[in-house]
Amino acid sequence: QKEVEQNSGPLSVPEGAIASLNCTYSDRGSQSFFWYRQYSGKSPELIMSIYSNGDKEDGRFTAQLNKASQYVSLLIRDSQPSDSATYLCAVKGYGTASKLTFGTGTRLQVTL
Amino acid sequence: GAGVSQTPSNKVTEKGKYVELRCDPISGHTALYWYRQSLGQGPEFLIYFQGTGAADDSGLPNDRFFAVRPEGSVSTLKIQRTERGDSAVYLCASSVSGGAETQYFGPGTRLLVL
Repeated sequence: QKEVEQNSGPLSVPEGAIASLNCTYSDRGSQSFFWYRQYSGKSPELIMSIYSNGDKEDGRFTAQLNKASQYVSLLIRDSQPSDSATYLCAVKGYGTASKLTFGTGTRLQVTL
Repeated sequence: GAGVSQTPSNKVTEKGKYVELRCDPISGHTALYWYRQSLGQGPEFLIYFQGTGAADDSGLPNDRFFAVRPEGSVSTLKIQRTERGDSAVYLCASSVSGGAETQYFGPGTRLLVL
């Protein structure tokens, strides 16, 4: 079992729709969770971070965390063609473990 | 302010050669990380520096890989006797102190070993 699992996609949604991206993780002691966006040929760019159970909203983006189910998701409202990218879920472990463990990413395509 | 910078942006080398990849973190960030990303995969952790010392080098794949950060700012990733399987994008990230805060990534160095 991979430590951080994502569906590789592509996930195709029409412009204006809600895109829902999901991620599960295996280390129950994980403390910090991040969503990065990566355009083709570019480096990862932070979209959202979330540390406690529940929802966190920032503009069109909402991150959801459920530690009991070891599940984190990202919702993108009013999807735009410019949102088309790969979305990487990253998890940081407990205590002094500072490294991020990434999933393989979900490729999102927003169609006109 | 300036973000994380990496040089070179692209490096082509021949199998068996030695390469150095450089990372200049965000000013004031004490934590520096190296990751490697292969096509279609997420970044894979290599090594983490807190100040000048390597706090976690558990991700280095073998002893051909070595990294230094002698003055606590710029870091160099060194790869000896390169192999074709080393071809990847090498990403550097920095964060304020290495805790739960955000890691900011540089543009990466695309390494191709022929």
